Amino acid sequence: ETGVTQSPTHLIKTRGQQVTLRCSSQSGHNTVSWYQQALGQGPQFIFQYYREEENGRGNFPPRFSGLQFPNYSSELNVNALELDDSALYLCASSSPGRRGANTGELFFGEGSRLTVL
Amino acid sequence: QQQVKQSPQSLIVQKGGISIINCAYENTAFDYFPWYQQFPGKGPALLIAIRPDVSEKKEGRFTISFNKSAKQFSLHIMDSQPGDSATYFCAADSTGNQFYFGTGTSLTVIP
Repeated sequence: ETGVTQSPTHLIKTRGQQVTLRCSSQSGHNTVSWYQQALGQGPQFIFQYYREEENGRGNFPPRFSGLQFPNYSSELNVNALELDDSALYLCASSSPGRRGANTGELFFGEGSRLTVL
Repeated sequence: QQQVKQSPQSLIVQKGGISIINCAYENTAFDYFPWYQQFPGKGPALLIAIRPDVSEKKEGRFTISFNKSAKQFSLHIMDSQPGDSATYFCAADSTGNQFYFGTGTSLTVIP
């Protein structure tokens, strides 16, 4: 069983640039969520994709956008980068089922560390 | 506004001791309360989770205590080991698609 993989692991951008982060979900999982984890903080929900449609969004501006592909892999795009976007971006996959029957467990990748200068 | 408040921020425990981390929430719609463990350079991994229909859940050395009326839940790590040294996050969810995480507790277990 292949776990969640993310790329790139580290990257450095300058303010105003754009970045694309990629995620391959765990085998059998059709739902991908993206979280932003600032240094010393807990993960903050950005959005979730289920069957290629956005299925919930956190309190992030529109310059954060995403995609999910037919193979359930996903991309996170951030435009007009700001210094505060520097963080670890985590992708998590899950396989939703009936509430109560499903653990609701999120399987996280190791993240993409973005530094904005 | 922080949906889930976690304390303490850091914790140092002797090997063999009990580590206790507390979380509190306000949203009564939350119905799933997991704890995640994160090692440096890794993503969080599910440790144990509870739903509000039970007051306690135990898995090995890890126990969640849940107080629905007080809207609080806690993680107890019995017989703490140096390998337990990590950052622990509590979380809460009501819809299955948006987890709210606490700010984390850095646990250090001294040999």
